[in-house]
Amino acid sequence: QQPVQSPQAVILREGEDAVINCSSSKALYSVHWYRQKHGEAPVFLMILLKGGEQKGHEKISASFNEKKQQSSLYLTASQLSYSGTYFCGTERQNQGGKLIFGQGTELSVKP
Amino acid sequence: DAGVIQSPRHEVTEMGQEVTLRCKPISGHDYLFWYRQTMMRGLELLIYFNNNVPIDDSGMPEDRFSAKMPNASFSTLKIQPSEPRDSAVYFCASSLASAATNEKLFFGSGTQLSVL
Repeated sequence: QQPVQSPQAVILREGEDAVINCSSSKALYSVHWYRQKHGEAPVFLMILLKGGEQKGHEKISASFNEKKQQSSLYLTASQLSYSGTYFCGTERQNQGGKLIFGQGTELSVKP
Repeated sequence: DAGVIQSPRHEVTEMGQEVTLRCKPISGHDYLFWYRQTMMRGLELLIYFNNNVPIDDSGMPEDRFSAKMPNASFSTLKIQPSEPRDSAVYFCASSLASAATNEKLFFGSGTQLSVL
């Protein structure tokens, strides 16, 4: 029941864009996105609830397609500070708050 | 608020020893989660509590693992006996309410466990 993230890793030059995908085989109620810097704890980016909404956080935005059980994280005009591992966390309906994370996508932004 | 506090930050022990990891959630948070992070498996949910009551412990790998939450401000994760494959970073996280109600998780700094 762990969501699947793709790609596993991506290398960007500063200013380039990237998309990270998260998909589940089960119907989802919500999708969370977190970023983890090396040696640190994961930090919250955004939540998307059922309803197909799209949210934004600085130049980072995300969408949630509940019919396809997929979410995508969009990073535009990437900055060095965007480097880290990105995790999607998914919650299924009637799971009482149980948040399961994908394997993570390692993003490296080079100058 | 000081955030989620975990102790110890690092633990090195020998196989067969008992290990106890501690967590103090953010005051007022009703949910507490224990996750384990390894390169192979990523962030695995071990167990989570709501109002000090364990809700789902299906992620606890074996009977060697146990978790308690005796009150709203303290939780422990115990491994007895420990094995080298238990080596990982263990994170505690808390949230104000269910993830489904638009509430984010706040993670502690983690405990780096090494079992030799």
